[in-house]
Amino acid sequence: ETGVTQSPTHLIKTRGQQVTLRCSSQSGHNTVSWYQQALGQGPQFIFQYYREEENGRGNFPPRFSGLQFPNYSSELNVNALELDDSALYLCASSFGDTLAGELFFGEGSRLTVL
Amino acid sequence: AQKITQTQPGMFVQEKEAVTLDCTYDTSDPSYGLFWYKQPSSGEMIFLIYQGSYDQQNATEGRYSLNFQKARKSANLVISASQLGDSAMYFCAMRANYGGATNKLIFGTGTLLAVQP
Repeated sequence: ETGVTQSPTHLIKTRGQQVTLRCSSQSGHNTVSWYQQALGQGPQFIFQYYREEENGRGNFPPRFSGLQFPNYSSELNVNALELDDSALYLCASSFGDTLAGELFFGEGSRLTVL
Repeated sequence: AQKITQTQPGMFVQEKEAVTLDCTYDTSDPSYGLFWYKQPSSGEMIFLIYQGSYDQQNATEGRYSLNFQKARKSANLVISASQLGDSAMYFCAMRANYGGATNKLIFGTGTLLAVQP
């Protein structure tokens, strides 16, 4: 039990639609990052938020966007869904941003795009 | 460029035996951290063990130990006394100072471990 919860756990969308995935972190965790894990692959870093500001981004297009709220919750929004967006989306939170700080992952939201 | 390589797609081990999962990494940063995560079928990434680049001793956490060979850029995970519940996907990951995004982990492709009774 990591104290990080994600919703929804599963969802199905069609190409071109938009989706919002949600994450609730542990109290006090001011850093949250999102990862995309395609089937059979390791997770890929999408972006990180620290104190409600994006401060790092991986190789993902602008149609992937996010928000972080003062109550330690966050969102990942994906516009104009493509088939390749089908994946498990993982949220990870931590207190601060040190190299050794443990990341706490949620169980993920599994998105299928038809 | 930072990279993690896991060359074993799948491994079998007998219950109660030890198993080593391989991981090599590549980075030009002098300061970095290496992690191992376990991912059961539920999807959650479970933290197992951490090794800092400046740590002199190999990390250990219960039945998990990390065989850190800096010169060879390897960070193998050793699981002693395997249990049936250890069956899962295992990921090696690296974290470095990516211009402020220190929660950026670079993951390998994973090793699927199956523990046989």
